[in-house]
Amino acid sequence: DAGVIQSPRHEVTEMGQEVTLRCKPISGHNSLFWYRQTMMRGLELLIYFNNNVPIDDSGMPEDRFSAKMPNASFSTLKIQPSEPRDSAVYFCASRSERTRANEKLFFGSGTQLSVL
Amino acid sequence: GQSLEQPSEVTAVEGAIVQINCTYQTSGFYGLSWYQQHDGGAPTFLSYNALDGLEETGRFSSFLSRSDSYGYLLLQELQMKDSASYFCAVRNDYKLSFGAGTTVTVRA
Repeated sequence: DAGVIQSPRHEVTEMGQEVTLRCKPISGHNSLFWYRQTMMRGLELLIYFNNNVPIDDSGMPEDRFSAKMPNASFSTLKIQPSEPRDSAVYFCASRSERTRANEKLFFGSGTQLSVL
Repeated sequence: GQSLEQPSEVTAVEGAIVQINCTYQTSGFYGLSWYQQHDGGAPTFLSYNALDGLEETGRFSSFLSRSDSYGYLLLQELQMKDSASYFCAVRNDYKLSFGAGTTVTVRA
């Protein structure tokens, strides 16, 4: 398996622009997570999907952030409008809740977002 | 909510042993995980303890004491490639909450 695939790897945009981050989880994994990592706040959970349904979005910072999972193999995280304080590395991660090894979270390579 | 504490930095020489402690406060505790992250890379899973005791995986071992809300990661026979950040994380139902991370620097 190719692992969790995220795109783009790097994104540089100007304040006020819309940003869309993409994620393809590992095939067969039914849980998907979006995390944000910054020096100040570390790894923060933004949103959690189970079987394509958003279960917990309490970590989404504000209404400018939205996430979707239209099917089991694709998820997006959108920021509109983007602000400089959104600059961070955004990780997508997936896990299977159906196996005994369901404690293991697999992370994608991340998207380094810079908002100027 | 959850809170985790771990040292911010540890420096050691090649071949040495390093222990990274983690104390946590959480409700509905399922288990304690450890992840490794190299600079510019993604966190990768190292170990998981749901029950008290020591789990050994090669040069790395992880320990958990549920009654003390405490765990540690033991890195043995340190190698240069072990220079990375190490995160403890508590699982509470579906949610995995991470500590701030410990930067391990291995010197020749």
